Amino acid sequence: ETGVTQTPRHLVMGMTNKKSLKCEQHLGHNAMYWYKQSAKKPLELMFVYSLEERVENNSVPSRFSPECPNSSHLFLHLHTLQPEDSALYLCASSQGQGGNEKLFFGSGTQLSVL
Amino acid sequence: GIQVEQSPPDLILQEGANSTLRCNFSDSVNNLQWFHQNPWGQLINLFYIPSGTKQNGRLSATTVATERYSLLYISSSQTTDSGVYFCAVPSIYSGGYNKLIFGAGTRLAVHP
Repeated sequence: ETGVTQTPRHLVMGMTNKKSLKCEQHLGHNAMYWYKQSAKKPLELMFVYSLEERVENNSVPSRFSPECPNSSHLFLHLHTLQPEDSALYLCASSQGQGGNEKLFFGSGTQLSVL
Repeated sequence: GIQVEQSPPDLILQEGANSTLRCNFSDSVNNLQWFHQNPWGQLINLFYIPSGTKQNGRLSATTVATERYSLLYISSSQTTDSGVYFCAVPSIYSGGYNKLIFGAGTRLAVHP
């Protein structure tokens, strides 16, 4: 148990569906992240939130829409995805934002787009 | 940007064997993190190790920042050690933001 909880664990959706991924951290951290892990590729940073403000959007298509209502919760809203968006989506948190903070990950959501 | 290379890409061990995983990075860094991803996708932070040596049970890590590498040692390996091991270092974004860059990982399979 890392203190970061993601739901759902698995998600299958069609290209016209709208779905949301949820992440909650119980560590009192100030920063939260979305990462994408595709087969045979390194982890890719998608979004960073620090104190509920987005500080980084790593050129992610607009069909991915993040939301951070408070420092403990992070959502990733999905709409009109493509099959190549199928991947493991990982949420993470850290005490402060930036690469010098120890990072804690959730279990991930395995997404399949049909 | 900074490059992170891990070796070997794949490793197969018999239970009880020892192993060393390597992480090389192309530029100076002020910290390095090692992660283990189990077969179900969960990433666990093993070490936050900017320099020197740290030990946690059967695992230990050494970072030699001046020579731009880190080593992860696994002793008396167990089947539960199977998975992918990643190292990650910080890199300055063009916008001034500091983010972690991950290596491609070492995939370890420990057989009974």
